[in-house]
Amino acid sequence: QLQLQESAPGLVEPSETLSLTCEVSDDSIVSVHSYWGWIRQPPGKGLEWIGNIYYSGTTSYNPSLKSRVTISVDTSKNQFSLKLNSVTDADTAVYYCARQARIAATPQYMDVWGKGTTVIVSS
Amino acid sequence: EIVMTQSPGTLSVSPGERATLSCRASQNINSNLAWYQQKPGQAPRLLIYGASTRATGVPARFSGSGSGTEFTLTISSLQSEDFAVYYCQHYNNWPPWTFGQGTKLETK
Repeated sequence: QLQLQESAPGLVEPSETLSLTCEVSDDSIVSVHSYWGWIRQPPGKGLEWIGNIYYSGTTSYNPSLKSRVTISVDTSKNQFSLKLNSVTDADTAVYYCARQARIAATPQYMDVWGKGTTVIVSS
Repeated sequence: EIVMTQSPGTLSVSPGERATLSCRASQNINSNLAWYQQKPGQAPRLLIYGASTRATGVPARFSGSGSGTEFTLTISSLQSEDFAVYYCQHYNNWPPWTFGQGTKLETK
């Protein structure tokens, strides 16, 4: 059964770059049925979709974060990654990776989630 | 961007009773709506997709309905493990795929 596991960077200094990796296990990241996405949740708040990637490298980003976000995929390692640059306090959140079902060539609901990793932006 | 609005913000219901949660989209999203359950310290769990299809392993007491801009999640007889926060999310057309702000279901 597909499992996702985020890496755990913990603390990031303001203006630096947040980097996270999601390891995909018990299934291949090379799947025509999947997009691979990132979602975040600030403390005590709701969920925000950050972006996703298809195994071919095609990406989609939330326009509110697009200028600062890069999502990449490494099929040889069966993992995908998130980079968010120029972070501020507002980027403090739990970051989740998730599989976003691909149906009719479009991303849809998130049916498998990682457990999440907390990232704190602080000096 | 499509805005998803959930109501109420908090719903107090007794175990064994029915709970009805609402989600409204700012424009037509057809049936491209999912519901998630989130318990404290846990990742969200997919409950419903396609507005009314239960995900694998989701109990039959959970049901979804609606299309267009108005959607409902109903829990027919609340169990203790159902008290959590529930989010709706659209996946209609282009990104961003946005979530509602959540409804907290608490014990009355």
